[in-house]
Amino acid sequence: AQSVTQPDIHITVSEGASLELRCNYSYGATPYLFWYVQSPGQGLQLLLKYFSGDTLVQGIKGFEAEFKRSQSSFNLRKPSVHWSDAAEYFCAVGLQQGFQKLVFGTGTRLLVSP
Amino acid sequence: DGGITQSPKYLFRKEGQNVTLSCEQNLNHDAMYWYRQDPGQGLRLIYYSQIVNDFQKGDIAEGYSVSREKKESFPLTVTSAQKNPTAFYLCASTRIGVNEKLFFGSGTQLSVL
Repeated sequence: AQSVTQPDIHITVSEGASLELRCNYSYGATPYLFWYVQSPGQGLQLLLKYFSGDTLVQGIKGFEAEFKRSQSSFNLRKPSVHWSDAAEYFCAVGLQQGFQKLVFGTGTRLLVSP
Repeated sequence: DGGITQSPKYLFRKEGQNVTLSCEQNLNHDAMYWYRQDPGQGLRLIYYSQIVNDFQKGDIAEGYSVSREKKESFPLTVTSAQKNPTAFYLCASTRIGVNEKLFFGSGTQLSVL
């Protein structure tokens, strides 16, 4: 069965510093990979997704992620964090057809210090 | 503007009571989903529906029921059989096809009195 691991429960980054959130997955084939962001008490918003092709994916709000098959990873990065980026971030892995088998990680809460 | 509307934002359930969470979308999406979110855990799929009048159990369907009588509506009932219903519930929808993405509602927080 597929699984997703986000090893960091909390991360604190200074405003203006770079960010990397880790995501590792376990899946037999090339998966569909997603990063979502959630503000408190709100739904999830898609930041970016990887289906195939270029392994470096650009998303909204200045985020990017790189798919590394050899490491089974899909880490999220941002070169300069803004205070408004403070939120919870979820990595998700899916099958190629349908979202009913989408598996979410447990999330990483990002705190941004002044 | 198109989107997914969940109501109410907050809901309280008395012991032994059934409660229904509303989810409406005007995106003309075929598929709709219900997720449960608990602190420190990822989202877990409760039920999903890919077509009107049809729905399938997800990973944690026990104690829940759904209906899909209209394409735009997918209400979730939390029954008295669900012994630990306190959680944040998220509804999502998508078109069915390649390279699609899930759109989420803003959620309903259910608590037990």
